Amino acid sequence: AQSVSQHNHHVILSEAASLELGCNYSYGGTVNLFWYVQYPGQHLQLLLKYFSGDPLVKGIKGFEAEFIKSKFSFNLRKPSVQWSDTAEYFCAPISNFGNEKLTFGTGTRLTIIP
Amino acid sequence: EAQVTQNPRYLITVTGKKLTVTCSQNMNHEYMSWYRQDPGLGLRQIYYSMNVEVTDKGDVPEGYKVSRKEKRNFPLILESPSPNQTSLYFCASSKQGAGGELFFGEGSRLTVL
Repeated sequence: AQSVSQHNHHVILSEAASLELGCNYSYGGTVNLFWYVQYPGQHLQLLLKYFSGDPLVKGIKGFEAEFIKSKFSFNLRKPSVQWSDTAEYFCAPISNFGNEKLTFGTGTRLTIIP
Repeated sequence: EAQVTQNPRYLITVTGKKLTVTCSQNMNHEYMSWYRQDPGLGLRQIYYSMNVEVTDKGDVPEGYKVSRKEKRNFPLILESPSPNQTSLYFCASSKQGAGGELFFGEGSRLTVL
């Protein structure tokens, strides 16, 4: 069965620290990969996405993610976090084989301490 | 303004009292879906729809119904709500199916007593 795993459930960092959130999936074949962010009290919005091409993709607010096919991973990174990055982050891979059943990871809650 | 609108945003109801959560999008998207968000479980897909009159089950469809009579609307129906359906519900739409960028509504917080 297809699955997605976000190992970090809650991450606490100080401002200016570097961030890496893990995402691993078990899908076979070609996948599209997404990271969504949910700021406190708000709905989810797209942070970045990977469809094909350069495996290092850049998103909004200085975030980037690297697709490593051999490791089935799509980790999210940011060199220097800000207090405003406090949010919940969700990884979402989807197979390109026409399965429209989208599965999100369980999410990682990020708390940035000023 | 492009948006996905859900109503109601907040609802407290009692076990067994049928309710409908509406979802409407103004982006002419073909794909729409419903999710529930629970602490520690992330978002789980309830139902999705590829187009008008085409719906299919997600991962947690039990206790829910949907309909897609018009492209812009995708209501979620709880025929006989139970306390385990207390949750935060999100509707989303996409131009390119589940593989495209999802646009989410603001969420509907439902409490079933």
